[in-house]
Amino acid sequence: AQSVTQLGSHVSVSEGALVLLRCNYSSSVPPYLFWYVQYPNQGLQLLLKYTSAATLVKGINGFEAEFKKSETSFHLTKPSAHMSDAAEYFCAVTPRDNNDMRFGAGTRLTVKP
Amino acid sequence: GAGVSQSPRYKVTKRGQDVALRCDPISGHVSLYWYRQALGQGPEFLTYFNYEAQQDKSGLPNDRFSAERPEGSISTLTIQRTEQRDSAMYRCASSRGGLAGGSETQYFGPGTRLLVL
Repeated sequence: AQSVTQLGSHVSVSEGALVLLRCNYSSSVPPYLFWYVQYPNQGLQLLLKYTSAATLVKGINGFEAEFKKSETSFHLTKPSAHMSDAAEYFCAVTPRDNNDMRFGAGTRLTVKP
Repeated sequence: GAGVSQSPRYKVTKRGQDVALRCDPISGHVSLYWYRQALGQGPEFLTYFNYEAQQDKSGLPNDRFSAERPEGSISTLTIQRTEQRDSAMYRCASSRGGLAGGSETQYFGPGTRLLVL
């Protein structure tokens, strides 16, 4: 079964600093990978997804993620954090041939002024 | 509608009562998904519909949980004889088509927070 592990339940950065949120996946074949953001009292919003085109995927709000098969990773980055980036971020994986999406436990990002 | 809507947004019930949670997907979306999200955890897949057909219910934790989508649009998740461990956020999502193939995106509703006393 597919799964993802998010390293670090809480990440704190200063405004303007690099954001790095880690996600590793477990799958026998390369899956589809996603990053979602959840703001308080709102639904999950898709940031970006990897579906086997370019390994470097650019998403909304300046975020990007790189699929690294050799490391089974799909880490999320943003060069310069903004206060509005404070939220919970979820990595997710789905097999290529069905609809069973599995989410990581989430990483709460705090941005300090 | 403009997005996925869910009702009620909050539900407090006593142990042993039945609850019904409603999901109204984006108009025209064929696929509908239910997830459960415990505090501090990511969403956990419960079940999936393609039109009115429930194609995957492998995530439903036990037979107290059931879901239907009789006309291929609105869906209801029903929990019978609720228990305190059922307390969680229940999220619905929809997509134009299934996720296999990678071209589709799930759109999530705001969720229903269920508290069983």
